[in-house]
Amino acid sequence: EPEVTQTPSHQVTQMGQEVILRCVPISNHLYFYWYRQILGQKVEFLVSFYNNEISEKSEIFDDQFSVERPDGSNFTLKIRSTKLEDSAMYFCASRARLQGNYGYTFGSGTRLTVV
Amino acid sequence: DAKTTQPNSMESNEEEPVHLPCNHSTISGTDYIHWYRQLPSQGPEYVIHGLTSNVNNRMASLAIAEDRKSSTLILHRATLRDAAVYYCILSGANSKLTFGKGITLSVRP
Repeated sequence: EPEVTQTPSHQVTQMGQEVILRCVPISNHLYFYWYRQILGQKVEFLVSFYNNEISEKSEIFDDQFSVERPDGSNFTLKIRSTKLEDSAMYFCASRARLQGNYGYTFGSGTRLTVV
Repeated sequence: DAKTTQPNSMESNEEEPVHLPCNHSTISGTDYIHWYRQLPSQGPEYVIHGLTSNVNNRMASLAIAEDRKSSTLILHRATLRDAAVYYCILSGANSKLTFGKGITLSVRP
C-alpha cells in the first residue's frame, strides 16, 4: 500500500537553529499538509499546499515556518529559528483530490525536540 | 468548522464488536464524515469516510443516521491492535481536518 514517508524520525536541535523536516507524499496525490501534535495534546493543522502554493495556513504557521515542494516529490517544512515550544511530533499528509472527499494518508511523523 | 462530539473513552473485549458513536448535529449538506485512528506513537491513520449512505471497508463499517446528525463506527471484531484514539471529523470544502480529542478505545484480552 502506498505510504507517506517522513525523515528524520527524530530530530534534536538547539533553540534558535533552523530545521528542515522532509516528507515524500504519495506520488499521484495533489494536496499536501503539515500537522503537529505537542505531547499529550490534539493534532493541530499547520498548512495545506496545492499547485505549488499555500492554500490555507493556521495561526501557528507564522513567519518562522515555510513549506516547499522543491523537486516534485519532496515536501518540506522549514522552521527558521526554533523555539522550545516547537517541540512536537510533526506529521505530513497527502490527499489524492478534493472531489469525492478522499481520505488523507499521514506519515509516521518526525519527533522534533528543541533543547 | 462543524464540530463533533464523542465520548472520552470506551472499553471492549477482544473479538467482540465495538460501536463508537459520534454526534454532529450541526453538519452541513456538503460535509463528509471521516474517521481516523491514532495508535500510540504513530501518525493518524485513515479508517473510513462517508456522506449519506452506510459504508464498509476492510477495516470497519460506518453507519450514518438518516438525518446525518450522528454516525457510528463499527469494528466487527476488536483485536488488541485496535486499541487507539479514534477521531470522528467532518470534512468540508476547505479540505483541512480539524482534530478533536477523539475517543480512546481500550481492548481487553
